[in-house]
Amino acid sequence: QTVVTQEPSLTVSPGGTVTLTCASSTGAVTSGHYPNWFQQKPGQPPRSLIYNINNRHSWTPARFSGSFLGGKAALTLSGVQPEDEAEYYCLLYFGGVLLKVFGGGTKLTVL
Amino acid sequence: EVQLVESGGGLVQPGGSLRLSCAASGFTFSSYSMNWVRQAPGKGLEWIAYISSSATVIYYADSVKGRFTISRDNAKNSLYLQMNSLRDEDTAVYSCARGFGAAGTSIDYWGQGTLVSVSS
Repeated sequence: QTVVTQEPSLTVSPGGTVTLTCASSTGAVTSGHYPNWFQQKPGQPPRSLIYNINNRHSWTPARFSGSFLGGKAALTLSGVQPEDEAEYYCLLYFGGVLLKVFGGGTKLTVL
Repeated sequence: EVQLVESGGGLVQPGGSLRLSCAASGFTFSSYSMNWVRQAPGKGLEWIAYISSSATVIYYADSVKGRFTISRDNAKNSLYLQMNSLRDEDTAVYSCARGFGAAGTSIDYWGQGTLVSVSS
């Protein structure tokens, strides 16, 4: 069974920088996994933030950026705002087995 | 404006069936792949099914394979999820999400979701 792992929770101060990661049980995350990142606030549907590693949607603030870090996909928030407090999910594509898997989510607290 | 509106959710007994619909508007539906994603109460997101723009490529998560069927009607701008042999653990909010990019590997727009409750 393919498992995608994220940090369960992280805390950051307003104005600070935080990096969330997304790991695959099958090995290093690569461009072939086309990492996507999503933000979800309580009672709302998810909102897409980043696609294909590091591409922002037209509505995604510039303080959100995607990359790779130590064999994992990463989402970095720079200059964190109070409204960034939310759950963040990554999504990986596994083409060899035609499967998409979400990570378990990271609850980001801005404190 | 891209809009995705799900319908068809409700209360169903274990072993029962339900058909969800997703009405799309604001874009050329036939040009985009689509996904179904669910979220159990208090839990994370779970991707469950994908269908390409012309329905030539379809695949499922193991948790629903053999019980759920994704389909689409491009003439009606609609996506469907036929759910059979429902189990307690299928209780969740079911959302449709538009796919894009290489082989539909990315997701951009989401619907608000429809709640499916499986209980006796």
